Amino acid sequence: EDQVTQSPEALRLQEGESSSLNCSYTVSGLRGLFWYRQDPGKGPEFLFTLYSAGEEKEKERLKATLTKKESFLHITAPKPEDSATYLCAVQGPSGNTPLVFGKGTRLSVIA
Amino acid sequence: NAGVTQTPKFQVLKTGQSMTLQCAQDMNHNSMYWYRQDPGMGLRLIYYSASEGTTDKGEVPNGYNVSRLNKREFSLRLESAAPSQTSVYFCASSASNYGYTFGSGTRLTVV
Repeated sequence: EDQVTQSPEALRLQEGESSSLNCSYTVSGLRGLFWYRQDPGKGPEFLFTLYSAGEEKEKERLKATLTKKESFLHITAPKPEDSATYLCAVQGPSGNTPLVFGKGTRLSVIA
Repeated sequence: NAGVTQTPKFQVLKTGQSMTLQCAQDMNHNSMYWYRQDPGMGLRLIYYSASEGTTDKGEVPNGYNVSRLNKREFSLRLESAAPSQTSVYFCASSASNYGYTFGSGTRLTVV
């Protein structure tokens, strides 16, 4: 059974204080690992897809990396507007296999 | 582009009542999904439709039925609502190999 574990559950940072969120996974044949951002009262918004170990992707202050067992979402010099819940999901070997989501990390960035 | 549109946005039901949650996408995606999101549980898959004319059960299908009406529309029906079905429901769609696009959610309370 595919599983995704995210840590920490919640993270509180001062503005400018860089940190990383962790996503550990077990999946039978990883097709892709996905990161989403979810603001309160809204649906998740797609950030990145990573397909193979060693791959990295960046968007503004966010950088996602992937190994064979986990992914990290690095947040550099965060701003209050980066406050959100960040969700990680994995997809098994078929393109039609539904995503399995972790429970998310709730990030708060304090000015 | 509207993306994924869900209706209604809010609903209160009495135990035993029935209702249908509507979802429509305008991106010509083949696959559509229904998830529920509960505090501390993350996003859990209820049903999905990999293509028009097919539907499959997800992790938590009990108490729900779905209909893939056409390529654009995928509805979720609660035949006899129970308090345990109080949740936020998200519809999503995807093209193979790409991340999901989510709707803004339906907040359902069963009293």
